[in-house]
Amino acid sequence: EDKVVQSPLSLVVHEGDTVTLNCSYEVTNFRSLLWYKQEKKAPTFLFMLTSSGIEKKSGRLSSILDKKELFSILNITATQTGDSAVYLCAVEAGLTTSGSRLTFGEGTQLTVNP
Amino acid sequence: GAVVSQHPSWVICKSGTSVKIECRSLDFQATTMFWYRQFPKQSLMLMATSNEGSKATYEQGVEKDKFLINHASLTLSTLTVTSAHPEDSSFYICSALGQPSGDTQYFGPGTRLTVL
Repeated sequence: EDKVVQSPLSLVVHEGDTVTLNCSYEVTNFRSLLWYKQEKKAPTFLFMLTSSGIEKKSGRLSSILDKKELFSILNITATQTGDSAVYLCAVEAGLTTSGSRLTFGEGTQLTVNP
Repeated sequence: GAVVSQHPSWVICKSGTSVKIECRSLDFQATTMFWYRQFPKQSLMLMATSNEGSKATYEQGVEKDKFLINHASLTLSTLTVTSAHPEDSSFYICSALGQPSGDTQYFGPGTRLTVL
């Protein structure tokens, strides 16, 4: 059974702090790991990671994947109140012959206080 | 944690046929289920919200006569893509809210639909 575990489940910080969100996984036939930000309704895509050790960056957000240790981190520097959201990690797995499946973690609820 | 399943996990169909996708909450009662559509490397697009026993609420731009949603019980919602066309090919994901998850959405594994 595929498993994705995020930690912490909840985090409260002050504006300007740097946060690191964790995602570990155990899946069969890993294909990619995705990070999403969910504020109200549909999760917004942040990153897709397929290769180990290559950092992806978008503004104050960055993420990296370690396929040997089976985890990924999402870093947010100089946090702002607008970063408050649930951050979801999902892992896509499966063989191309049998279709892929997504397993989501439970999410990390980030609250950034002014 | 709460488990949400989807069936089938993948389906290939001919243009013009209808396809039904099931979303089940396995160990909790889902008062609300959401249906999303995802294209590669893009955000999940919310299609509709369904509450048990009532009509689904569709997002703007989603044709309710084409994407039929039924939430007949507290553990099952279905999405039927009617008269499917190649442009309907996508990854469809459901999520569920309810007891004991509270405010947390639990996502299903997705269904990949390919329309030939």
